[in-house]
Amino acid sequence: GAVVSQHPSRVICKSGTSVKIECRSLDFQATTMFWYRQFPKQSLMLMATSNEGSKATYEQGVEKDKFLINHASLTLSTLTVTSAHPEDSSFYICSARGAYGYTFGSGTRLTVV
Amino acid sequence: AQSVAQPEDQVNVAEGNPLTVKCTYSVSGNPYLFWYVQYPNRGLQFLLKYITGDNLVKGSYGFEAEFNKSQTSFHLKKPSALVSDSALYFCAVGPMNTGFQKLVFGTGTRLLVSP
Repeated sequence: GAVVSQHPSRVICKSGTSVKIECRSLDFQATTMFWYRQFPKQSLMLMATSNEGSKATYEQGVEKDKFLINHASLTLSTLTVTSAHPEDSSFYICSARGAYGYTFGSGTRLTVV
Repeated sequence: AQSVAQPEDQVNVAEGNPLTVKCTYSVSGNPYLFWYVQYPNRGLQFLLKYITGDNLVKGSYGFEAEFNKSQTSFHLKKPSALVSDSALYFCAVGPMNTGFQKLVFGTGTRLLVSP
């Protein structure tokens, strides 16, 4: 079956630094990848959609300069939270769309101190 | 615009009893409908989906869902709940007429199965 690997699972960083989260489709090619943010006890908020080799499409209200998304290959997408602040602390989840449908990563708990 | 509603924040059921988690949707055209389950600090696990065909869809872990077009509903059901089913459940809709086919999620329903 389709597997998506997301790393790291947890990261703590200092305010002002940048953090990169990786999302890899291990056994399939992902035509499209999605990045979500989930607040405690809330639903998933779609941040952006990316296709391999093209610029990501950001949802309204998401700062593209702060949340940099790179989709360099059909199996890898990265989300970089730049100049992180405590309010960026959240649970980030990626999803890859391939022939099997939508497969989700296990999420990354980001804590900015 | 497409939307999904999960009217219950939490559903409580005793182990062994049947469970239902409700979902209604609004979308233009024919929808893709999904159910996912999330355990604490984990990503989403796929349970089942409806695209076309039989209105009753069977999925993982004994779950099933019934697509009702007239009521625009896609309720998740299981005949006999287990304590291990306790988790957060999300209904999602993926309209067929968007280029990237992004999923729109409901707000989630927490299922608590008591021993």
